Amino acid sequence: DTGVSQNPRHKITKRGQNVTFRCDPISEHNRLYWYRQTLGQGPEFLTYFQNEAQLEKSRLLSDRFSAERPKGSFSTLEIQRTEQGDSAMYLCASSLERGSLSPLHFGNGTRLTVT
Amino acid sequence: DQQVKQNSPSLSVQEGRISILNCDYTNSMFDYFLWYKKYPAEGPTFLISISSIKDKNEDGRFTVFLNKSAKHLSLHIVPSQPGDSAVYFCAASADKYGAGKSTFGDGTTLTVKP
Repeated sequence: DTGVSQNPRHKITKRGQNVTFRCDPISEHNRLYWYRQTLGQGPEFLTYFQNEAQLEKSRLLSDRFSAERPKGSFSTLEIQRTEQGDSAMYLCASSLERGSLSPLHFGNGTRLTVT
Repeated sequence: DQQVKQNSPSLSVQEGRISILNCDYTNSMFDYFLWYKKYPAEGPTFLISISSIKDKNEDGRFTVFLNKSAKHLSLHIVPSQPGDSAVYFCAASADKYGAGKSTFGDGTTLTVKP
């Protein structure tokens, strides 16, 4: 168990630019989640995958956001035409769905700053 | 409308004493409740959980109590240690297949003083 890995750890970009983040989940985990956390708040659910299928998207996820999980392994989160309001910590988590309580294993996040 | 609330942004206790962190929720559909701990520059890590069919779950120094009628849960840490100093998030889920899609509170920062 090498844990959930996220890259990059930090990203600074100018407003209007596109950014892409990567998440490598724990290898045997079939579920992968993206959350967003802003200062002083708890993580907010954005979307999740079961294997390669994206099963749910939050209404927080505008059409500038897109997530993929090709082949059910790593995942990418892309933000197009970034806005200052997109500045946040983007957290990836994975879990093993097995029909019972299965907590999230979080990565250390990617901190995005939009200037 | 915030469905999971942690009304105390911070809590300070002396080493060796009990820490009690509280959480309230509004959505009756929540079936699973979890506590996560977060250190600076790290992602949250799972601490303890409870299903709605129970009213107490214990794991070492950590105990979670659930009062469904009051829609309230609490985390007790006894005895508190300086290494417990962190941000604690309460989370709730209505996902019957797991607890992945969770709604989080805004956290309580616990400081344990030596």
